[in-house]
Amino acid sequence: QSVLTQPPSASGTPGQRVTISCSGSSSNIGTNTVNWYQQLPGTAPKLLIYNNNQRPSGVPDRFSGSKSGTSASLAISGLQSEDEADYYCAAWDDSLNGAVVFGGGTKLTVL
Amino acid sequence: EVQLVESGGGLVKPGGSLRLSCAASGFTFSSYSMNWVRQAPGKGLEWVSSISSSGSYIYYADSVKGRFTISRDNAKNSLYLQMNSLRVEDTAVYYCARGVLTTVVTPGYWGQGTLVTVSS
Repeated sequence: QSVLTQPPSASGTPGQRVTISCSGSSSNIGTNTVNWYQQLPGTAPKLLIYNNNQRPSGVPDRFSGSKSGTSASLAISGLQSEDEADYYCAAWDDSLNGAVVFGGGTKLTVL
Repeated sequence: EVQLVESGGGLVKPGGSLRLSCAASGFTFSSYSMNWVRQAPGKGLEWVSSISSSGSYIYYADSVKGRFTISRDNAKNSLYLQMNSLRVEDTAVYYCARGVLTTVVTPGYWGQGTLVTVSS
């Protein structure tokens, strides 16, 4: 059971816009910034969004992030076949002694 | 270019020990917190441990507390994970990951991972 809650799956057709949600609590998303990662099959995770809505250099502007209260979202516009991957959210959690917490991951399928 | 290269994975029997290393380059290692994150076969990402830039602050997941020890050598630009009393459920790819910013612990750049298999 992950501390951050993501839907296990999402799907869309090429060109569509899809969103993936990430729900947390006041000790993690409510207080700290959120990162999003993309993991293609057989590869290491890659940072897509940091600080809730910032894109690292090289990440297309089709990817965007937002945060409101204790929830965050990743939006992918102009969906492409190469976007088919697993997506994870993460944040620091201030409860107990501190920890990085991840969502369980969302498998995105491009139909 | 940021590079993180893990090594030290392999096959070990339950109850055994293993030491993972992560060689960092392309950034000022001593300015960033570092993390170990693992991924069991077919499963999601699981945070293992974090260490602050100076090594003064260390955090562990409950699942590894008392068995794993994270450390770093800023002079050698290296991160380590000493894993003792290994269990079958510790089988995973272990990733070394740099904090996304100098002020933020959560992972940004990731290494390619090293596979640890615990089996008799």
